[in-house]
Amino acid sequence: KAGVTQTPRYLIKTRGQQVTLSCSPISGHRSVSWYQQTPGQGLQFLFEYFSETQRNKGNFPGRFSGRQFSNSRSEMNVSTLELGDSALYLCASSSGTSGSGDTQYFGPGTRLTVL
Amino acid sequence: GQSLEQPSEVTAVEGAIVQINCTYQTSGFYGLSWYQHHDGGAPTFLSYNALDGLEETGRFSSFLSRSDSYGYLLLQELQMKDSASYFCAVRDSNQGGKLIFGQGTELSVKP
Repeated sequence: KAGVTQTPRYLIKTRGQQVTLSCSPISGHRSVSWYQQTPGQGLQFLFEYFSETQRNKGNFPGRFSGRQFSNSRSEMNVSTLELGDSALYLCASSSGTSGSGDTQYFGPGTRLTVL
Repeated sequence: GQSLEQPSEVTAVEGAIVQINCTYQTSGFYGLSWYQHHDGGAPTFLSYNALDGLEETGRFSSFLSRSDSYGYLLLQELQMKDSASYFCAVRDSNQGGKLIFGQGTELSVKP
């Protein structure tokens, strides 16, 4: 089974621009979650999508948005980029069964640098 | 509030045993998971504890005490390749099942 893929792997943008990141989950997985990882902050939950609906949302400003398509692929968008948005953005897919040890399978991440 | 506390870094030598602790404070609790993350790679799942006690998987073991809101990851017979970041995570049943991660422990294994 192919793993979770994320594109692009690296991205450099300037302040004020917007960016779209893409995630393709493991075949058959219906849940896709997004995380932001920065030094000293660990993995911060952004949001989770399940069957094209946002099921959970973290504490990030409205500049961060996402969506999920009928084939479970997901995109996240960050508008009006700020320097502090520089981070590794990780996507994880899972079967989506709640209330259990629903193992997250992570992609390699997209390294975003905002100049 | 929700928080998970784990040491920021741990250093050990090859062949040794190391324990990475995690204490959590969440409004709801489904279980405690551990993930390993090598720089440049994808975080990978190591273990999951829903009930109190010890779960063993090869050189890695994970322990949970729900009454103490505490767990740990035990790595035995350390190898250089175990140098990585280790994250504990709790799925909060009162937050729609949101997965909350600790800040990660950077493990350095020395020869």
